[in-house]
Amino acid sequence: NAGVTQTPKFQVLKTGQSMTLQCAQDMNHEYMSWYRQDPGMGLRLIHYSVGAGITDQGEVPNGYNVSRSTTEDFPLRLLSAAPSQTSVYFCASSPRTADEAFFGQGTRLTVV
Amino acid sequence: RKEVEQDPGPFNVPEGATVAFNCTYSNSASQSFFWYRQDCRKEPKLLMSVYSSGNEDGRFTAQLNRASQYISLLIRDSKLSDSATYLCVVNMWGSYIPTFGRGTSLIVHP
Repeated sequence: NAGVTQTPKFQVLKTGQSMTLQCAQDMNHEYMSWYRQDPGMGLRLIHYSVGAGITDQGEVPNGYNVSRSTTEDFPLRLLSAAPSQTSVYFCASSPRTADEAFFGQGTRLTVV
Repeated sequence: RKEVEQDPGPFNVPEGATVAFNCTYSNSASQSFFWYRQDCRKEPKLLMSVYSSGNEDGRFTAQLNRASQYISLLIRDSKLSDSATYLCVVNMWGSYIPTFGRGTSLIVHP
């Protein structure tokens, strides 16, 4: 049972570099989302998608792009990494609104 | 004002104690409610859903008070393994965005 798979688990970037965090789910869930978690801040929504081809911004979208070409995949792109983007990133999916969210194991990103 | 408020704690309790957390939400249109558990450096996982009639799962009891707009989590006979952060989650009717509280830290000591 794979569930929600995130890669990589750890990443160190230099300021200005770009990269893509991968997220895939095998549960045929419609709703997928990306969060970042910082100490004392809780989970903050970056972007979300309610289905293939549909994405929208969350609470903290600046500096990030997403796309949803398939139901299974929802990658998060950092366009030009900044130290303020040092965080733990979680991808989540759920079958529809108001249902339980299933999280990936997280990506610990450090920008130096 | 944040939509979902939790006391961050930490709550330090001895093994065997009973501990309760509250979570308040600001939007009266909220539809569904959950408690998640997050262990250190791990992803959040669903602990239990919270129904209007309340629900119980072993040592854990969750309740909803719509009139006062809060949900609660009661843990009886605390175990060392209960040490974690407990996240309150609220979904609004028709919204695709679950709203997370910042979490309440629980430390159970011998």
